[in-house]
Amino acid sequence: EAQVTQNPRYLITVTGKKLTVTCSQNMNHEYMSWYRQDPGLGLRQIYYSMNVEVTDKGDVPEGYKVSRKEKRNFPLILESPSPNQTSLYFCASSLSRDRGSYEQYFGPGTRLTVT
Amino acid sequence: LAKTTQPISMDSYEGQEVNITCSHNNIATNDYITWYQQFPSQGPRFIIQGYKTKVTNEVASLFIPADRKSSTLSLPRVSLSDTAVYYCLVGPRLSYNTDKLIFGTGTRLQVFP
Repeated sequence: EAQVTQNPRYLITVTGKKLTVTCSQNMNHEYMSWYRQDPGLGLRQIYYSMNVEVTDKGDVPEGYKVSRKEKRNFPLILESPSPNQTSLYFCASSLSRDRGSYEQYFGPGTRLTVT
Repeated sequence: LAKTTQPISMDSYEGQEVNITCSHNNIATNDYITWYQQFPSQGPRFIIQGYKTKVTNEVASLFIPADRKSSTLSLPRVSLSDTAVYYCLVGPRLSYNTDKLIFGTGTRLQVFP
Protein backbone atom coordinates (compact mmCIF):
# COMPACT_ATOMS: atom_id res chain seq x y z
CA GLU A 1 0.00 0.00 0.00
CA ALA A 2 1.31 3.41 -1.01
CA GLN A 3 1.73 5.50 2.10
CA VAL A 4 3.65 8.01 4.15
CA THR A 5 4.42 6.91 7.68
CA GLN A 6 5.45 9.03 10.63
CA ASN A 7 6.77 8.05 14.02
CA PRO A 8 5.97 8.64 16.74
CA ARG A 9 2.31 9.60 16.38
CA TYR A 10 2.26 11.23 19.80
CA LEU A 11 5.13 12.62 21.81
CA ILE A 12 5.35 14.56 25.05
CA THR A 13 8.78 15.89 25.89
CA VAL A 14 10.52 18.57 27.92
CA THR A 15 12.21 21.76 26.84
CA GLY A 16 15.70 21.25 25.48
CA LYS A 17 15.60 17.50 25.00
CA LYS A 18 16.59 16.70 21.42
CA LEU A 19 14.08 14.67 19.45
CA THR A 20 13.61 13.28 15.97
CA VAL A 21 10.37 12.60 14.15
CA THR A 22 10.81 10.10 11.36
CA CYS A 23 9.04 10.17 8.01
CA SER A 24 9.18 7.48 5.38
CA GLN A 25 7.43 7.02 2.03
CA ASN A 26 7.25 3.96 -0.19
CA MET A 27 6.23 5.64 -3.44
CA ASN A 28 9.71 6.55 -4.72
CA HIS A 29 8.79 10.23 -4.55
CA GLU A 30 11.46 12.85 -5.06
CA TYR A 31 9.75 15.65 -3.17
CA MET A 32 9.21 15.52 0.59
CA SER A 33 8.11 18.19 3.00
CA TRP A 34 7.33 18.92 6.64
CA TYR A 35 4.45 21.06 7.85
CA ARG A 36 3.19 22.16 11.20
CA GLN A 37 -0.43 22.89 11.88
CA ASP A 38 -1.62 25.22 14.62
CA PRO A 39 -5.16 26.39 15.38
CA GLY A 40 -6.09 29.45 13.33
CA LEU A 41 -2.85 29.34 11.34
CA GLY A 42 -3.51 26.51 8.92
CA LEU A 43 -0.62 24.46 7.58
CA ARG A 44 2.79 26.08 7.43
CA GLN A 45 5.72 24.57 5.63
CA ILE A 46 8.86 24.01 7.72
CA TYR A 47 11.35 22.44 5.30
CA TYR A 48 11.19 20.66 2.01
CA SER A 49 13.45 18.47 -0.06
CA MET A 50 13.41 18.19 -3.81
CA ASN A 51 15.61 15.09 -3.82
CA VAL A 52 18.36 13.28 -1.93
CA GLU A 53 20.81 15.72 -0.34
CA VAL A 54 18.71 18.70 -1.52
CA THR A 55 16.79 20.54 1.20
CA ASP A 56 15.51 24.07 1.62
CA LYS A 57 13.67 26.22 4.11
CA GLY A 58 9.95 26.66 4.05
CA ASP A 59 8.08 29.44 5.81
CA VAL A 60 8.86 28.53 9.43
CA PRO A 61 12.24 26.75 9.59
CA GLU A 62 13.55 28.26 12.83
CA GLY A 63 14.31 25.65 15.47
CA TYR A 64 14.18 22.71 13.07
CA LYS A 65 16.65 20.68 11.05
CA VAL A 66 16.14 18.08 8.38
CA SER A 67 18.25 15.68 6.38
CA ARG A 68 17.66 13.67 3.22
CA LYS A 69 20.26 10.95 2.98
CA GLU A 70 17.92 8.44 1.36
CA LYS A 71 15.08 9.01 -1.02
CA ARG A 72 12.45 7.38 1.17
CA ASN A 73 13.30 9.06 4.50
CA PHE A 74 13.06 12.67 5.63
CA PRO A 75 13.48 13.02 9.40
CA LEU A 76 12.61 16.22 11.25
CA ILE A 77 15.01 17.10 14.04
CA LEU A 78 14.36 19.43 16.95
CA GLU A 79 17.75 20.03 18.54
CA SER A 80 16.41 21.95 21.53
CA PRO A 81 12.61 21.87 21.56
CA SER A 82 10.71 24.75 23.13
CA PRO A 83 7.03 25.03 24.14
CA ASN A 84 6.24 27.14 21.02
CA GLN A 85 7.02 24.05 18.95
CA THR A 86 4.05 22.27 20.46
CA SER A 87 2.03 21.49 17.36
CA LEU A 88 0.66 18.88 14.99
CA TYR A 89 3.28 17.93 12.41
CA PHE A 90 2.69 16.42 8.99
CA CYS A 91 5.12 14.92 6.55
CA ALA A 92 4.21 14.81 2.87
CA SER A 93 5.68 13.51 -0.36
CA SER A 94 5.03 13.84 -4.06
CA LEU A 95 6.60 13.28 -7.42
CA SER A 96 8.93 16.05 -8.48
CA ARG A 97 7.26 19.12 -9.90
CA ASP A 98 8.99 18.77 -13.24
CA ARG A 99 7.18 15.46 -13.69
CA GLY A 100 3.97 17.46 -13.63
CA SER A 101 2.55 16.46 -10.29
CA TYR A 102 1.25 18.77 -7.64
CA GLU A 103 -0.48 16.08 -5.60
CA GLN A 104 1.07 15.58 -2.22
CA TYR A 105 0.49 12.55 -0.03
CA PHE A 106 0.38 13.29 3.66
CA GLY A 107 1.29 11.17 6.63
CA PRO A 108 -1.05 10.63 9.60
CA GLY A 109 0.53 13.38 11.69
CA THR A 110 2.62 13.60 14.86
CA ARG A 111 1.20 15.45 17.81
CA LEU A 112 4.09 16.96 19.76
CA THR A 113 3.80 18.58 23.17
CA VAL A 114 6.81 20.35 24.67
CA THR A 115 6.51 21.24 28.34
CA LEU B 1 3.95 32.86 -4.40
CA ALA B 2 0.38 34.02 -4.71
CA LYS B 3 -1.49 34.55 -1.45
CA THR B 4 -4.96 33.07 -1.22
CA THR B 5 -8.06 34.22 0.62
CA GLN B 6 -10.94 31.91 1.48
CA PRO B 7 -14.01 32.21 3.70
CA ILE B 8 -13.26 30.97 7.20
CA SER B 9 -16.33 28.77 7.38
CA MET B 10 -19.43 27.64 5.50
CA ASP B 11 -22.53 25.68 6.45
CA SER B 12 -24.62 23.45 4.22
CA TYR B 13 -27.17 20.65 4.33
CA GLU B 14 -26.96 17.18 2.97
CA GLY B 15 -27.79 16.91 -0.71
CA GLN B 16 -26.98 20.52 -1.53
CA GLU B 17 -24.25 21.74 -3.84
CA VAL B 18 -21.49 23.65 -2.08
CA ASN B 19 -19.29 26.24 -3.78
CA ILE B 20 -16.16 27.46 -2.01
CA THR B 21 -14.42 30.41 -3.59
CA CYS B 22 -10.74 31.21 -3.30
CA SER B 23 -9.31 34.61 -4.18
CA HIS B 24 -5.77 34.80 -5.58
CA ASN B 25 -5.34 38.23 -7.11
CA ASN B 26 -1.58 37.91 -7.56
CA ILE B 27 -1.60 34.60 -9.38
CA ALA B 28 1.32 34.24 -11.78
CA THR B 29 1.20 33.02 -15.33
CA ASN B 30 2.70 29.63 -14.50
CA ASP B 31 0.72 29.06 -11.29
CA TYR B 32 -1.72 26.20 -10.89
CA ILE B 33 -4.62 26.05 -8.44
CA THR B 34 -4.91 23.03 -6.19
CA TRP B 35 -7.47 22.10 -3.54
CA TYR B 36 -7.01 19.81 -0.57
CA GLN B 37 -9.47 18.38 1.97
CA GLN B 38 -8.59 17.72 5.59
CA PHE B 39 -10.57 15.79 8.18
CA PRO B 40 -9.85 16.27 11.90
CA SER B 41 -6.62 14.63 13.04
CA GLN B 42 -5.72 13.53 9.51
CA GLY B 43 -3.35 14.82 6.89
CA PRO B 44 -4.75 16.80 3.95
CA ARG B 45 -5.90 14.88 0.90
CA PHE B 46 -5.60 16.11 -2.69
CA ILE B 47 -8.97 16.82 -4.33
CA ILE B 48 -8.41 18.57 -7.63
CA GLN B 49 -6.03 20.77 -9.59
CA GLY B 50 -6.52 23.10 -12.53
CA TYR B 51 -5.04 25.93 -14.57
CA LYS B 52 -7.98 27.51 -16.38
CA THR B 53 -11.66 27.05 -17.30
CA LYS B 54 -13.16 23.94 -15.73
CA VAL B 55 -11.81 20.70 -14.36
CA THR B 56 -13.99 17.86 -13.12
CA ASN B 57 -13.22 14.58 -11.45
CA GLU B 58 -15.27 12.02 -9.54
CA VAL B 59 -15.18 14.12 -6.37
CA ALA B 60 -15.47 17.77 -7.35
CA SER B 61 -15.35 20.43 -10.04
CA LEU B 62 -13.03 23.40 -10.19
CA PHE B 63 -14.10 26.55 -12.01
CA ILE B 64 -11.50 29.12 -12.97
CA PRO B 65 -12.54 32.34 -14.74
CA ALA B 66 -10.53 33.81 -17.59
CA ASP B 67 -8.64 36.29 -15.40
CA ARG B 68 -7.69 33.45 -12.99
CA LYS B 69 -7.85 35.81 -10.00
CA SER B 70 -10.23 33.48 -8.23
CA SER B 71 -11.38 29.89 -8.38
CA THR B 72 -14.39 27.98 -7.10
CA LEU B 73 -14.41 24.46 -5.76
CA SER B 74 -17.80 22.87 -6.32
CA LEU B 75 -18.92 19.84 -4.31
CA PRO B 76 -22.11 18.32 -5.73
CA ARG B 77 -24.72 16.92 -3.34
CA VAL B 78 -22.66 17.01 -0.16
CA SER B 79 -23.06 14.46 2.59
CA LEU B 80 -22.16 14.53 6.28
CA SER B 81 -18.83 12.95 5.41
CA ASP B 82 -17.86 16.06 3.44
CA THR B 83 -17.57 18.01 6.69
CA ALA B 84 -13.92 19.04 6.63
CA VAL B 85 -11.51 21.91 6.07
CA TYR B 86 -10.79 22.77 2.44
CA TYR B 87 -7.56 24.43 1.42
CA CYS B 88 -6.81 26.32 -1.76
CA LEU B 89 -3.19 26.50 -2.90
CA VAL B 90 -1.65 28.44 -5.73
CA GLY B 91 1.81 27.72 -7.01
CA PRO B 92 3.88 26.79 -10.03
CA ARG B 93 3.56 23.33 -11.44
CA LEU B 94 7.06 23.56 -12.79
CA SER B 95 9.37 25.26 -10.35
CA TYR B 96 13.08 25.58 -10.77
CA ASN B 97 13.73 28.04 -8.00
CA THR B 98 11.54 27.00 -5.13
CA ASP B 99 9.02 24.37 -4.17
CA LYS B 100 7.78 26.28 -1.19
CA LEU B 101 4.06 25.79 -0.71
CA ILE B 102 1.64 28.01 1.19
CA PHE B 103 -1.59 26.45 2.40
CA GLY B 104 -3.35 29.28 4.18
CA THR B 105 -6.03 28.84 6.83
CA GLY B 106 -8.64 27.02 4.75
CA THR B 107 -12.46 26.97 4.80
CA ARG B 108 -14.22 24.90 7.41
CA LEU B 109 -17.29 23.29 5.83
CA GLN B 110 -19.99 21.96 8.15
CA VAL B 111 -22.68 19.77 6.61
CA PHE B 112 -25.89 19.30 8.57
CA PRO B 113 -28.46 16.52 8.19
